[in-house]
Amino acid sequence: DTGVSQNPRHKITKRGQNVTFRCDPISEHNRLYWYRQTLGQGPEFLTYFQNEAQLEKSRLLSDRFSAERPKGSFSTLEIQRTEQGDSAMYLCASGSTASSYNEQFFGPGTRLTVL
Amino acid sequence: AQSVTQLDSQVPVFEEAPVELRCNYSSSVSVYLFWYVQYPNQGLQLLLKYLSGSTLVKGINGFEAEFNKSQTSFHLRKPSVHISDTAEYFCAVSDPETSGTYKYIFGTGTRLKVLA
Repeated sequence: DTGVSQNPRHKITKRGQNVTFRCDPISEHNRLYWYRQTLGQGPEFLTYFQNEAQLEKSRLLSDRFSAERPKGSFSTLEIQRTEQGDSAMYLCASGSTASSYNEQFFGPGTRLTVL
Repeated sequence: AQSVTQLDSQVPVFEEAPVELRCNYSSSVSVYLFWYVQYPNQGLQLLLKYLSGSTLVKGINGFEAEFNKSQTSFHLRKPSVHISDTAEYFCAVSDPETSGTYKYIFGTGTRLKVLA
């Protein structure tokens, strides 16, 4: 088990471009979460999936953001028409419904810089 | 709505001294509580977790935390810190039974700086 992986680790883009991030969870985990962390702040919840179903979306997730988990395994987070305010670390976490603690295991994150 | 407060944004402490990082959460019937550590440019690593049972929870790297229901606190402690403990520490709360959601609510973090 190699843990949660995220790609790319860093992304620099120009304002107005679209970007897509990928998250591969721990293999037996059926829950997958996306968070956004800006400088000096704690992570803020964006959305989560249980298997392939997207069960909750934060109001932070504007219509420019979309997330998918097509086969209940990896997930992608896409940001369209990026803005400078989208610059942040995007964290993915996975967990299991079998866990009584609802613990989440985090990946290394994707750092997005919008110029 | 659930909220988490980490009052100390930065805590400087000398090596081998004890440290306490404070965390308070808004009241709820039952919550899951967590402490995570984040090293520069890395993701979050779970230090310890609490759901129920003994109010003193032991985690990795010599850290422990004490759950206090009456004060709605979950402070993190270490009796003797090392230079390598320099990092950002986040307290997080989850209350699926009340809110029906499994998301975490994080505090704003405490930067622990261990001085030689």
